[in-house]
Amino acid sequence: GAVVSQHPSWVICKSGTSVKIECRSLDFQATTMFWYRQFPKQSLMLMATSNEGSKATYEQGVEKDKFLINHASLTLSTLTVTSAHPEDSSFYICSARDRAHYTEAFFGQGTRLTVV
Amino acid sequence: KQEVTQIPAALSVPEGENLVLNCSFTDSAIYNLQWFRQDPGKGLTSLLLIQSSQREQTSGRLNASLDKSSGRSTLYIAASQPGDSATYLCAVYMNRDDKIIFGKGTRLHILP
Repeated sequence: GAVVSQHPSWVICKSGTSVKIECRSLDFQATTMFWYRQFPKQSLMLMATSNEGSKATYEQGVEKDKFLINHASLTLSTLTVTSAHPEDSSFYICSARDRAHYTEAFFGQGTRLTVV
Repeated sequence: KQEVTQIPAALSVPEGENLVLNCSFTDSAIYNLQWFRQDPGKGLTSLLLIQSSQREQTSGRLNASLDKSSGRSTLYIAASQPGDSATYLCAVYMNRDDKIIFGKGTRLHILP
């Protein structure tokens, strides 16, 4: 299958700072990318869907000004957590799809964010 | 709104037993259904993907079935091993908006 690389795998930041997480499709072009958040012992909750070159569509309850998503190219999407607070500490996972060529979506390895 | 439910939430069984994990979904207009494994603190490992036109998929000791009309899927694990201990997630791909909706998972513990 195709590969999605997510970076960093873990990050610790101070409260009030911003953190950027990158998601790259290494060997395919991702027409759609998804960002998920997973709290301990909970399932993956979809935060937003983004298509290359257009604004992301956020799920209800997700603050678009706090979680900035950029999908500037067919191989890269970024999630920036702005003014992070301890309650933003979570596991963030990206997913990428190229529905024209692949039946399934491919997932990054996840990023463990800890805000202190 | 699509809702995905997994039963049981947790399961502990002795090594060697065959077991079944259940997944149900409320909206049958799905594109695919996929089973994942997640180890603690780790990302997702894809196990089996079933397209909506298919009834089942098999890989080694794993077999997944799909009954789209009734909104159900099962993951069958044969001859369970301690290494199978993990959380198993069911995910459905929606047709209309490409969203992938996850269930809350089944935490499986295989006792040596």
